[in-house]
Amino acid sequence: DVHMTQSPSSLSASVGDTITITCQASQDIVNSLNWFQQKPGKPPKLLMYGASILETGVPSRFSGRVAGTVFTFTINGLQPEDFATYFCQQYDNLPPTFGGGTRVEVK
Amino acid sequence: QVQLQESGPGLVKPSETLSLTCRVSGDSIKSFYWSWIRQFPGKRLEWMGYVSDIGPGRSNYNPSLRGRISMSLDTSKNQFSLNLASVTTADTAVYFCARGKASPYEWGPGTLVTVSS
Repeated sequence: DVHMTQSPSSLSASVGDTITITCQASQDIVNSLNWFQQKPGKPPKLLMYGASILETGVPSRFSGRVAGTVFTFTINGLQPEDFATYFCQQYDNLPPTFGGGTRVEVK
Repeated sequence: QVQLQESGPGLVKPSETLSLTCRVSGDSIKSFYWSWIRQFPGKRLEWMGYVSDIGPGRSNYNPSLRGRISMSLDTSKNQFSLNLASVTTADTAVYFCARGKASPYEWGPGTLVTVSS
């Protein structure tokens, strides 16, 4: 299985801050990576696929990049509704595997 | 927009079989891939497998579950199902159904299944 190492596991930030989350894949997955947002009691919501392509309706303050096997997810100008848990997920190889999640909390 | 809704027992005894159904509305289940994903109490997510009516590979399961898992489609009811045999307390989780093969993009709200005697 492809192992996804996501960091940090949690972070504290304020509205307006820029935050970055990283996922490293244990092997080459090209750009076959999703980013999900999950709020308490809700299912994960797909924000981004192909490492950097925003789903329809997702604000442009969300962005993604890839450099080799390291994927970064950035929120520029954190909004109140962005406090949530974020997961990466690779879909290049079966079984698809998820990162451990990053909880973004209010500072 | 498609809507998915999981249903099934919220409590299953150890060694028994967990059975869940996902009812799909707003679109046909034909010609799509449908998955089950679960989320453990510590928030870890695990893809369990997919089922479809497409091509020769109509199902694929996570090797970690092979031997215990099966999935099926019921096109007459527009729903699909999950069976997980010989459950233990380690199978306690929120179970989600979703549309997609390896990249789930539409999810049901999830249902908590607790394994306990």
